[in-house]
Amino acid sequence: AQKITQTQPGMFVQEKEAVTLDCTYDTSDPSYGLFWYKQPSSGEMIFLIYQGSYDQQNATEGRYSLNFQKARKSANLVISASQLGDSAMYFCAMREQLLIYNQGGKLIFGQGTELSVKP
Amino acid sequence: DGGITQSPKYLFRKEGQNVTLSCEQNLNHDAMYWYRQDPGQGLRLIYYSQIVNDFQKGDIAEGYSVSREKKESFPLTVTSAQKNPTAFYLCASSTSWDRYNEQFFGPGTRLTVL
Repeated sequence: AQKITQTQPGMFVQEKEAVTLDCTYDTSDPSYGLFWYKQPSSGEMIFLIYQGSYDQQNATEGRYSLNFQKARKSANLVISASQLGDSAMYFCAMREQLLIYNQGGKLIFGQGTELSVKP
Repeated sequence: DGGITQSPKYLFRKEGQNVTLSCEQNLNHDAMYWYRQDPGQGLRLIYYSQIVNDFQKGDIAEGYSVSREKKESFPLTVTSAQKNPTAFYLCASSTSWDRYNEQFFGPGTRLTVL
């Protein structure tokens, strides 16, 4: 069964420094997608970045980059130049393969990492 | 503006009552989802729907029901059979069953059972 593991319940980072949030996954499916979402205290889920299992390069979106190591089954999120507004919960998620019509498309979420940015 | 709306933002329910959470999207997305989030936890899938008049159970469907009569709407009913319904409920949608399309989330409904 597919599984996402985030081993860091909480992380602290100094403002303007970089931080890495860990995510490992388990799947026997050769084709999958990995997502990172940010959840501020208000509760909404904000999509940050996506990595496909066949993508040759690591994904980047502004200050966010994904350190994708396929052989190790890890997809760590790197936030550069942390800002106070980055304080939030961060969730790693994996999307299942869609071979079977009525069983695809679901996101499987990790437990999340709470990031606190210190001024 | 395109997006997903959920109502109400806060909902209080007495034990034994059914309540319905609203989810509407104007993104023209085919697929819609309901997730439950408990404090300090990730999201767990309750139900999802790929097309109108079709939906499938997720990982924790017991005690919940849904309908998909319109493409834009995917209401969730929390029935009295749900033993521990107090949680944060998030609705999401995506464009198609292309695995690389991200899901867009609504602002959520916080349900409290009194």
